[in-house]
Amino acid sequence: KQEVTQIPAALSVPEGENLVLNCSFTDSAIYNLQWFRQDPGKGLTSLLLIQSSQREQTSGRLNASLDKSSGRSTLYIAASQPGDSATYLCAVAHTGGFKTIFGAGTRLFVKA
Amino acid sequence: EAQVTQNPRYLITVTGKKLTVTCSQNMNHEYMSWYRQDPGLGLRQIYYSMNVEVTDKGDVPEGYKVSRKEKRNFPLILESPSPNQTSLYFCASSRSDRANYGYTFGSGTRLTVV
Repeated sequence: KQEVTQIPAALSVPEGENLVLNCSFTDSAIYNLQWFRQDPGKGLTSLLLIQSSQREQTSGRLNASLDKSSGRSTLYIAASQPGDSATYLCAVAHTGGFKTIFGAGTRLFVKA
Repeated sequence: EAQVTQNPRYLITVTGKKLTVTCSQNMNHEYMSWYRQDPGLGLRQIYYSMNVEVTDKGDVPEGYKVSRKEKRNFPLILESPSPNQTSLYFCASSRSDRANYGYTFGSGTRLTVV
């Protein structure tokens, strides 16, 4: 059974700091891995999608990497800003049963 | 604008009163899914649909029903809601080519069952 774990559960950093969020999964049989942002009580906004054949994707200050063999993905946020404060979720599209499994998320707080 | 639309956004109901949460997408996506999100438990899949008239159970299907009569719509039905179904619900859709496409989510429906 695919399991997705995100570490840390919560993170507080000063503005301007570079940071890394981690996502690990137990089964490498995946279609893709997707990173989302969720503001409190709101919906999920897609940040980056990494296909299973790719190693990384970049969008602005965000860079996501994927190492399928080790079951790991990282989301790198450069020069963090208070507006980056949110919960970040990773989701793995598992090839078995066409299910997408979510991690519990990392709650990020960027202090001004 | 490409989007997934859920209605209502907020709903308070009483135990046992049947309700339907609607979900509609305008992207011609084959794949649609319902999730519930609870504190400490994260997002859990309720049901999903690969295409019209094709649905399957997710991880927490008990107490829910779905139908997929049209490609764009995927309503979630609670025949007899109970307080443990109080949650934040999300609908999502994707193209069937899962290798190349990820999810698009609706804005969520906050349901309270008293």
